[in-house]
Amino acid sequence: QKEVEQNSGPLSVPEGAIASLNCTYSDRGSQSFFWYRQYSGKSPELIMFIYSNGDKEDGRFTAQLNKASQYVSLLIRDSQPSDSATYLCAVNTDKLIFGTGTRLQVFP
Amino acid sequence: SAVISQKPSRDICQRGTSLTIQCQVDSQVTMMFWYRQQPGQSLTLIATANQGSEATYESGFVIDKFPISRPNLTFSTLTVSNMSPEDSSIYLCSVQDEDYEQYFGPGTRLTVT
Repeated sequence: QKEVEQNSGPLSVPEGAIASLNCTYSDRGSQSFFWYRQYSGKSPELIMFIYSNGDKEDGRFTAQLNKASQYVSLLIRDSQPSDSATYLCAVNTDKLIFGTGTRLQVFP
Repeated sequence: SAVISQKPSRDICQRGTSLTIQCQVDSQVTMMFWYRQQPGQSLTLIATANQGSEATYESGFVIDKFPISRPNLTFSTLTVSNMSPEDSSIYLCSVQDEDYEQYFGPGTRLTVT
Protein backbone atom coordinates (compact mmCIF):
# COMPACT_ATOMS: atom_id res chain seq x y z
CA GLN A 1 0.00 0.00 0.00
CA LYS A 2 1.38 3.38 -1.00
CA GLU A 3 1.88 5.73 1.89
CA VAL A 4 0.52 8.79 0.10
CA GLU A 5 -1.86 8.35 -2.81
CA GLN A 6 -3.02 10.84 -5.40
CA ASN A 7 -4.87 10.50 -8.66
CA SER A 8 -2.30 11.19 -11.37
CA GLY A 9 -4.81 13.00 -13.58
CA PRO A 10 -4.78 15.00 -15.67
CA LEU A 11 -7.57 16.95 -14.03
CA SER A 12 -8.95 19.36 -16.58
CA VAL A 13 -11.06 22.32 -15.46
CA PRO A 14 -12.21 25.45 -17.28
CA GLU A 15 -10.87 28.83 -16.31
CA GLY A 16 -12.81 30.27 -13.38
CA ALA A 17 -13.93 26.90 -12.03
CA ILE A 18 -12.97 25.24 -8.76
CA ALA A 19 -10.26 22.59 -9.00
CA SER A 20 -10.39 19.89 -6.33
CA LEU A 21 -7.28 17.84 -5.68
CA ASN A 22 -7.35 14.90 -3.32
CA CYS A 23 -4.85 12.89 -1.33
CA THR A 24 -5.07 9.96 1.07
CA TYR A 25 -2.38 8.73 3.44
CA SER A 26 -1.81 5.55 5.35
CA ASP A 27 0.01 6.58 8.56
CA ARG A 28 -2.49 7.64 11.21
CA GLY A 29 0.33 9.19 13.20
CA SER A 30 0.98 11.82 10.54
CA GLN A 31 0.91 15.29 12.02
CA SER A 32 1.48 17.77 9.22
CA PHE A 33 0.38 17.94 5.62
CA PHE A 34 1.65 19.97 2.73
CA TRP A 35 0.73 20.85 -0.82
CA TYR A 36 3.43 21.68 -3.33
CA ARG A 37 3.02 23.03 -6.83
CA GLN A 38 5.54 21.99 -9.46
CA TYR A 39 5.67 23.56 -12.87
CA SER A 40 7.28 21.53 -15.63
CA GLY A 41 11.06 21.73 -15.38
CA LYS A 42 10.96 23.53 -12.03
CA SER A 43 11.39 22.45 -8.43
CA PRO A 44 8.43 22.03 -6.05
CA GLU A 45 7.06 25.17 -4.41
CA LEU A 46 5.26 25.03 -1.08
CA ILE A 47 1.81 26.58 -1.40
CA MET A 48 -0.16 25.33 1.60
CA PHE A 49 0.28 23.45 4.84
CA ILE A 50 -2.26 22.25 7.38
CA TYR A 51 -1.91 20.62 10.76
CA SER A 52 -5.43 20.56 12.23
CA ASN A 53 -8.70 19.04 11.11
CA GLY A 54 -10.88 21.36 9.10
CA ASP A 55 -10.25 24.01 6.49
CA LYS A 56 -7.43 26.46 6.03
CA GLU A 57 -7.79 29.24 3.49
CA ASP A 58 -5.06 31.31 1.83
CA GLY A 59 -6.24 33.47 -1.04
CA ARG A 60 -7.70 31.25 -3.75
CA PHE A 61 -6.40 28.10 -2.04
CA THR A 62 -8.17 26.07 0.64
CA ALA A 63 -6.65 23.02 2.25
CA GLN A 64 -8.96 20.57 3.96
CA LEU A 65 -7.88 17.89 6.43
CA ASN A 66 -9.84 14.98 7.83
CA LYS A 67 -7.58 12.87 10.03
CA ALA A 68 -10.31 10.33 10.81
CA SER A 69 -10.64 9.56 7.12
CA GLN A 70 -6.91 10.09 6.46
CA TYR A 71 -7.76 12.49 3.71
CA VAL A 72 -6.39 15.86 2.71
CA SER A 73 -7.52 17.98 -0.20
CA LEU A 74 -6.69 21.22 -1.94
CA LEU A 75 -9.31 23.45 -3.52
CA ILE A 76 -8.31 26.12 -6.00
CA ARG A 77 -11.03 28.70 -6.59
CA ASP A 78 -11.28 30.80 -9.75
CA SER A 79 -8.75 28.55 -11.49
CA GLN A 80 -6.42 30.26 -13.93
CA PRO A 81 -4.36 28.84 -16.79
CA SER A 82 -1.30 29.77 -14.73
CA ASP A 83 -2.43 27.21 -12.13
CA SER A 84 -1.71 24.44 -14.65
CA ALA A 85 0.98 22.37 -12.94
CA THR A 86 1.50 19.16 -11.01
CA TYR A 87 0.34 19.34 -7.40
CA LEU A 88 2.17 17.16 -4.92
CA CYS A 89 0.69 16.13 -1.60
CA ALA A 90 3.26 15.51 1.14
CA VAL A 91 2.74 14.02 4.57
CA ASN A 92 5.13 14.34 7.48
CA THR A 93 5.60 11.30 9.68
CA ASP A 94 9.22 11.12 10.74
CA LYS A 95 10.10 12.34 7.26
CA LEU A 96 8.28 13.96 4.39
CA ILE A 97 6.57 11.44 2.10
CA PHE A 98 5.37 12.66 -1.27
CA GLY A 99 2.55 11.40 -3.39
CA THR A 100 3.05 10.96 -7.11
CA GLY A 101 1.23 14.19 -7.89
CA THR A 102 -1.89 15.24 -9.78
CA ARG A 103 -1.47 17.09 -13.03
CA LEU A 104 -3.92 19.99 -13.29
CA GLN A 105 -4.81 21.57 -16.61
CA VAL A 106 -6.84 24.79 -16.63
CA PHE A 107 -8.13 25.64 -20.08
CA PRO A 108 -9.31 29.09 -21.18
CA SER B 1 11.57 31.12 3.48
CA ALA B 2 15.24 30.42 2.88
CA VAL B 3 16.85 31.09 -0.48
CA ILE B 4 18.54 27.96 -1.78
CA SER B 5 20.95 27.67 -4.68
CA GLN B 6 22.43 24.60 -6.33
CA LYS B 7 25.40 24.09 -8.58
CA PRO B 8 25.58 22.93 -11.28
CA SER B 9 22.09 23.50 -12.64
CA ARG B 10 22.64 20.74 -15.16
CA ASP B 11 25.38 18.47 -16.41
CA ILE B 12 25.99 15.70 -18.88
CA CYS B 13 28.42 13.10 -17.61
CA GLN B 14 29.95 9.89 -18.88
CA ARG B 15 29.24 6.62 -17.16
CA GLY B 16 31.76 5.63 -14.54
CA THR B 17 32.53 9.21 -13.52
CA SER B 18 31.37 11.12 -10.45
CA LEU B 19 29.62 14.45 -10.02
CA THR B 20 29.44 16.59 -6.90
CA ILE B 21 26.38 18.80 -6.47
CA GLN B 22 26.55 21.78 -4.16
CA CYS B 23 23.68 23.25 -2.15
CA GLN B 24 23.99 26.67 -0.53
CA VAL B 25 21.41 28.27 1.79
CA ASP B 26 21.26 31.95 2.72
CA SER B 27 20.54 31.22 6.38
CA GLN B 28 21.56 28.65 8.94
CA VAL B 29 19.42 25.53 8.95
CA THR B 30 19.70 22.38 10.97
CA MET B 31 18.14 19.90 8.62
CA MET B 32 18.94 19.54 4.94
CA PHE B 33 17.72 16.83 2.64
CA TRP B 34 18.68 15.40 -0.72
CA TYR B 35 15.99 14.09 -3.07
CA ARG B 36 15.95 12.50 -6.47
CA GLN B 37 13.17 13.00 -9.01
CA GLN B 38 13.31 10.74 -12.00
CA PRO B 39 11.45 11.71 -15.18
CA GLY B 40 7.70 11.70 -14.63
CA GLN B 41 8.08 10.52 -11.05
CA SER B 42 7.59 12.03 -7.65
CA LEU B 43 10.34 12.88 -5.19
CA THR B 44 12.35 10.17 -3.47
CA LEU B 45 14.36 11.01 -0.38
CA ILE B 46 17.99 9.96 -0.68
CA ALA B 47 19.30 11.08 2.69
CA THR B 48 19.02 13.54 5.54
CA ALA B 49 22.11 15.64 6.19
CA ASN B 50 22.50 17.22 9.61
CA GLN B 51 25.54 19.29 10.47
CA GLY B 52 27.96 17.54 12.75
CA SER B 53 26.72 14.03 12.15
CA GLU B 54 26.79 11.38 9.47
CA ALA B 55 24.06 11.55 6.87
CA THR B 56 21.12 9.19 7.31
CA TYR B 57 20.34 7.26 4.13
CA GLU B 58 17.00 5.88 3.05
CA SER B 59 16.47 2.32 1.97
CA GLY B 60 18.02 1.72 -1.42
CA PHE B 61 20.64 4.45 -1.11
CA VAL B 62 24.16 3.87 0.24
CA ILE B 63 26.98 6.13 1.27
CA ASP B 64 29.45 4.63 -1.20
CA LYS B 65 27.21 5.61 -4.09
CA PHE B 66 25.93 8.92 -2.71
CA PRO B 67 28.45 10.38 -0.25
CA ILE B 68 27.22 13.55 1.43
CA SER B 69 29.08 16.28 3.24
CA ARG B 70 27.60 18.86 5.60
CA PRO B 71 30.49 21.00 6.80
CA ASN B 72 28.36 23.83 8.24
CA LEU B 73 24.79 25.04 8.69
CA THR B 74 24.51 26.69 5.26
CA PHE B 75 26.15 24.22 2.88
CA SER B 76 26.00 20.59 1.76
CA THR B 77 27.24 18.49 -1.12
CA LEU B 78 25.94 15.30 -2.68
CA THR B 79 28.24 13.21 -4.87
CA VAL B 80 26.85 10.75 -7.37
CA SER B 81 29.61 8.19 -7.77
CA ASN B 82 30.45 5.73 -10.53
CA MET B 83 27.48 6.97 -12.53
CA SER B 84 25.34 4.87 -14.83
CA PRO B 85 22.50 5.97 -17.13
CA GLU B 86 20.05 4.92 -14.39
CA ASP B 87 21.35 7.83 -12.31
CA SER B 88 19.99 10.30 -14.84
CA SER B 89 17.58 12.35 -12.79
CA ILE B 90 16.95 15.69 -11.16
CA TYR B 91 18.65 16.01 -7.79
CA LEU B 92 17.14 18.45 -5.32
CA CYS B 93 18.27 19.71 -1.98
CA SER B 94 15.79 21.03 0.53
CA VAL B 95 15.83 22.64 3.96
CA GLN B 96 13.35 22.39 6.78
CA ASP B 97 12.37 25.20 9.07
CA GLU B 98 11.21 25.04 12.67
CA ASP B 99 7.61 24.48 11.52
CA TYR B 100 8.61 21.37 9.54
CA GLU B 101 8.03 23.18 6.26
CA GLN B 102 10.46 22.14 3.56
CA TYR B 103 11.70 24.39 0.78
CA PHE B 104 13.52 23.18 -2.29
CA GLY B 105 16.45 24.38 -4.29
CA PRO B 106 16.16 24.76 -8.07
CA GLY B 107 17.55 21.29 -8.73
CA THR B 108 20.40 19.79 -10.73
CA ARG B 109 19.46 18.00 -13.92
CA LEU B 110 21.91 15.15 -14.49
CA THR B 111 22.19 13.16 -17.70
CA VAL B 112 24.53 10.18 -17.79
CA THR B 113 25.60 8.90 -21.20
